[in-house]
Amino acid sequence: AQSVTQLDSHVSVSEGTPVLLRCNYSSSYSPSLFWYVQHPNKGLQLLLKYTSAATLVKGINGFEAEFKKSETSFHLTKPSAHMSDAAEYFCVVSTKSLMYSGGGADGLTFGKGTHLIIQP
Amino acid sequence: EADIYQTPRYLVIGTGKKITLECSQTMGHDKMYWYQQDPGMELHLIHYSYGVNSTEKGDLSSESTVSRIRTEHFPLTLESARPSHTSQYLCASRGRSGLETQYFGPGTRLLVL
Repeated sequence: AQSVTQLDSHVSVSEGTPVLLRCNYSSSYSPSLFWYVQHPNKGLQLLLKYTSAATLVKGINGFEAEFKKSETSFHLTKPSAHMSDAAEYFCVVSTKSLMYSGGGADGLTFGKGTHLIIQP
Repeated sequence: EADIYQTPRYLVIGTGKKITLECSQTMGHDKMYWYQQDPGMELHLIHYSYGVNSTEKGDLSSESTVSRIRTEHFPLTLESARPSHTSQYLCASRGRSGLETQYFGPGTRLLVL
C-alpha cells in the first residue's frame, strides 16, 4: 500500500519570505512523486514531478522539491513567496510496480492538501 | 497548458434531476479520470477509463455513471441528483506514454438543493 501525508493543512508566510510545504510518503515500490497546485475556482496544475532522475526537481513559478529516500520526504520549497502563490497544494505519489493493487487507476494517491496563505 | 475542458463550470440543480457533466480533451489521450473533491479535502477517484468502451469504478463509491464512446469525450451522469452529490468534480487525462502526468480540467462545482 502507499500513502501520502501532507504535514500541514495550512501554511502562512509573508510575501518575499521562503515557502516550505512538507510531504511524506510511503510506498512499497519505487515511487514517482508530484506536486500539483490548485488556485481558487481552477483545476489542478502540475508544478513538478520526480521520476527517479535527479533528486532535486525544479518546477514552474520558482518552485522546487527534493526527493529524500532516507526520509521518505518530498518537500516543496520556494525561496521567495509571491502573492500569486496563494493556493491549495497537493502532493501525489504514484507507483510504477505492476504488482501494485489499490489506490485507484495507475496507483495515484493524493494528499489532503496544504492551503498556502501569503500575507502582504 | 493542457487542452482539457469541462462544462458546465457551475451547476445549481434541484433534487431528483438528471445531470450530465461534460469532459473533453483534444490531446488524444487514452486514459481519462473523474475525481470528486469536497471543500478542503483531497481528491477521490470515482471513475476511470483506459480507452474507448472501457470504464471502471475508482476508489470512492459513486452513484454516478460514465461512458467512453469517443476517445476525446468522457461524460459523467447522475440519474437523480441528491444534496449528498454536492461537490466539485474534476476530470483528468493522461497519454499512453509519458511519465504518469495527469492533466486536469478546471472542474465542475455542483450544488444540489
